[in-house]
Amino acid sequence: GESVGLHLPTLSVQEGDNSIINCAYSNSASDYFIWYKQESGKGPQFIIDIRSNMDKRQGQRVTVLLNKTVKHLSLQIAATQPGDSAVYFCAENWGFKTIFGAGTRLFVKA
Amino acid sequence: DVKVTQSSRYLVKRTGEKVFLECVQDMDHENMFWYRQDPGLGLRLIYFSYDVKMKEKGDIPEGYSVSREKKERFSLILESASTNQTSMYLCASSLGQTVEDTEAFFGQGTRLTVV
Repeated sequence: GESVGLHLPTLSVQEGDNSIINCAYSNSASDYFIWYKQESGKGPQFIIDIRSNMDKRQGQRVTVLLNKTVKHLSLQIAATQPGDSAVYFCAENWGFKTIFGAGTRLFVKA
Repeated sequence: DVKVTQSSRYLVKRTGEKVFLECVQDMDHENMFWYRQDPGLGLRLIYFSYDVKMKEKGDIPEGYSVSREKKERFSLILESASTNQTSMYLCASSLGQTVEDTEAFFGQGTRLTVV
């Protein structure tokens, strides 16, 4: 069946460096993608989204890239800070259906 | 801000007990969801509801049921709790049916331990 997966379960970066978190999806019908951040003891929270008719979207310090040819999504965090330490999930949506990836834990080293 | 509130942060129940997990949202959202979160498996959809008294099975509905008698409240029921239902349970809601309205707002989670 369809699935959304992440290439790396954990990522460790130095404070101030850029982080890149990757995600593969399998449903070509997915038309909307969201990245969520989950801090310890909390539910996931929306970070940034992108529609399937776009290939790049920028927010504050975060950028999402979508490559529909290879069904790949990435989240880039610029100048990573200790507060960015969390688990990051990608999610693909079509209709009512949302599929979440397994998550990547980001560690930020001081 | 949207608020999704789950009634308990932590629960410990015995095998065979009937367990109710309650979730309330305050923004008149149409859709509500129950997920369970396990390490390495991400969020898996148990049940969802897109209207009052409507419910749809998600990917792992076995051993669970749900109730949505009012728009703001979505309850997850474990008819007879088992140890393999020990998990973090997350409730979420989303506004409606257009593409951007599928953004999910999550509660803080209920960590259920079945002993």
